[in-house]
Amino acid sequence: DGGITQSPKYLFRKEGQNVTLSCEQNLNHDAMYWYRQDPGQGLRLIYYSQIVNDFQKGDIAEGYSVSREKKESFPLTVTSAQKNPTAFYLCASSGTGRVNEQYFGPGTRLTVT
Amino acid sequence: AQSVAQPEDQVNVAEGNPLTVKCTYSVSGNPYLFWYVQYPNRGLQFLLKYITGDNLVKGSYGFEAEFNKSQTSFHLKKPSALVSDSALYFCAVRDSGNTGGFKTIFGAGTRLFVKA
Repeated sequence: DGGITQSPKYLFRKEGQNVTLSCEQNLNHDAMYWYRQDPGQGLRLIYYSQIVNDFQKGDIAEGYSVSREKKESFPLTVTSAQKNPTAFYLCASSGTGRVNEQYFGPGTRLTVT
Repeated sequence: AQSVAQPEDQVNVAEGNPLTVKCTYSVSGNPYLFWYVQYPNRGLQFLLKYITGDNLVKGSYGFEAEFNKSQTSFHLKKPSALVSDSALYFCAVRDSGNTGGFKTIFGAGTRLFVKA
C-alpha cells in the first residue's frame, strides 16, 4: 500500500447522494486508475488517467466521474446515477510504460443504503 | 479482445507442500503478465511480472511463475507453502501492442488456503 493513500477507509451514504473518494500518491507516477471490486468478479476498471488533465473511461464508467488536476491526486465521485454503488473501490498508480506494474492503495469500502 | 481466466475459485494446500495457482490469458499481441496478491480488506500487492526473456520469473516472498506461450498460461508457483500465503491471488494481462492501450485486465481471483 506504500505511496498511495485512500480516504476514508469506510464510507456510508444514503441513496441519492453523491460521494467523492480520495486518492493521493507520492510515487511521482503519471498514470492513475480507479477499480471497483465485487466478490467473485475481480477488478473492473472505472476510469484511468495517463497524464494530468486527461482521463479515459474504463469498462464501467457510467455513474462515476473523475478529475485529474494534479499529478498526485485522482478523486472519484460516485454519483446518484450509479445504480449499485456499494462496493470496494481501489485506486492505483503506475509509470506510463506498458511493462510497469501498478501500485494499489488500501481501498475504500462504500456502503449506500 | 484481452481476457484472463483463473479456472479455480479456491486452492487448498497443506503447509510445506508446493502450490500452484493457474492462469490462462488471451491477447492479440505479445502479453505482459502480472501476479498480484490481496490480503483481507487491503489493496493489491505486486508479486511478479513477465515481460520477455526467461520463461521462469521469480518474484517476492518465494513465488515464481512460468510463462508458457503455446498453452497461453502463466501459472503461479511456490515450492513450499506457508500459512501466511493464504490470500486472494490475481493474474493480470496487458497487451504489448497498441490495442487496449494501458488497460490491464484482471482475472476473477483465486483464493488460496494453506492449512497448518
